[in-house]
Amino acid sequence: SQTIHQWPATLVQPVGSPLSLECTVEGTSNPNLYWYRQAAGRGLQLLFYSVGIGQISSEVPQNLSASRPQDRQFILSSKKLLLSDSGFYLCATSTGTGGGQTEAFFGQGTRLTVV
Amino acid sequence: AQSVTQLDSQVPVFEEAPVELRCNYSSSVSVYLFWYVQYPNQGLQLLLKYLSGSTLVESINGFEAEFNKSQTSFHLRKPSVHISDTAEYFCAVSDDGGFKTIFGAGTRLFVKA
Repeated sequence: SQTIHQWPATLVQPVGSPLSLECTVEGTSNPNLYWYRQAAGRGLQLLFYSVGIGQISSEVPQNLSASRPQDRQFILSSKKLLLSDSGFYLCATSTGTGGGQTEAFFGQGTRLTVV
Repeated sequence: AQSVTQLDSQVPVFEEAPVELRCNYSSSVSVYLFWYVQYPNQGLQLLLKYLSGSTLVESINGFEAEFNKSQTSFHLRKPSVHISDTAEYFCAVSDDGGFKTIFGAGTRLFVKA
């Protein structure tokens, strides 16, 4: 079965500082990869997804970017954090080839607090 | 575009009482439907899913959900809840032609003794 590693688990960063969150996947090849942000009372907001190396789709305009340098590695970055970037960030992978995603597997998440 | 609406943000219920968490979706194509559960400070775990076939699907811990195409609903039910069911529950939809899973805002189930 698939395993998703996310780190760090918690992070406190000052406004204006850079960000790099890393996610790696084991137990599958050529996965679809996703970054979600969870804010209190707002559910999960899809930020980025990737169906292959170097292929990134952005769902919402924002202060963040994503990269996929390797098949099973997905990185979320920012050059300068804003207070509004605080939240719980979840990396996920899913099974499916464009004919629908049959199940998503999630990492344990990173709680980011921008101060 | 797809969307998911969870009609209740919080549901308090007493232990051993029945519960229903409501979910409605909108989509112009055939969909796959899911319920995920999230315990504090953890990622989400799949609870159950509807892909095709029987419209009633069940989880191993007593939850069930029924796909109702005419009402575009996928409500989650359990006849008798336990304290350990306290968690946040997310309804989600994935269409049959895309790569995205869209989640609802979540319902926080709080089971009281």
